Amino acid sequence: AQSVTQPDIHITVSEGASLELRCNYSYGATPYLFWYVQSPGQGLQLLLKYFSGDTLVQGIKGFEAEFKRSQSSFNLRKPSVHWSDAAEYFCAVGGNEKLTFGTGTRLTIIP
Amino acid sequence: EADIYQTPRYLVIGTGKKITLECSQTMGHDKMYWYQQDPGMELHLIHYSYGVNSTEKGDLSSESTVSRIRTEHFPLTLESARPSHTSQYLCASSDQTGGIAKNIQYFGAGTRLSVL
Repeated sequence: AQSVTQPDIHITVSEGASLELRCNYSYGATPYLFWYVQSPGQGLQLLLKYFSGDTLVQGIKGFEAEFKRSQSSFNLRKPSVHWSDAAEYFCAVGGNEKLTFGTGTRLTIIP
Repeated sequence: EADIYQTPRYLVIGTGKKITLECSQTMGHDKMYWYQQDPGMELHLIHYSYGVNSTEKGDLSSESTVSRIRTEHFPLTLESARPSHTSQYLCASSDQTGGIAKNIQYFGAGTRLSVL
């Protein structure tokens, strides 16, 4: 069975600081991996995706993620966060059928 | 930019009422999904559809039902709402055509349902 673990429920960072959100997955084959962001009262917006090839993928809003097969991880990073990055972030894994989402990490930005 | 719409955005309703949550997409996507999301929890898949006249139950058991009579429309119905149905419901769609399916799901803004 496929699963996703986001070990950090809530992270607080200062505006301008770097960010890393952790994601570990379990999947029987080569996974498709996704990061989504959800602002309060909104649906999910796709930040980036990994299917194959280069293990460092770039997304929107200055985010990037690195796929590490040996660690079953797909951590999300941003070198300098902005106040508008405050939101809930979800990692997801799947193949051609269903996606499985993690429980999310809430990001708070302090001035 | 994805074009997937959910109505209503917010709904407060009494116990026992029948409700239908609407979801429409204008992208011609074959696959559509309904997720249930409680605060601080992951998304749980409750229904999905591969195309017209196709509906499947998801991983989380739900008393709701769905239909897929048109490609663009995937409504979710609760025949008799109860307080335990209070949650946020998210609709999504993905494109399975044109080669290898990648299952990139595009989400609507959600419907927040409160049953009193």
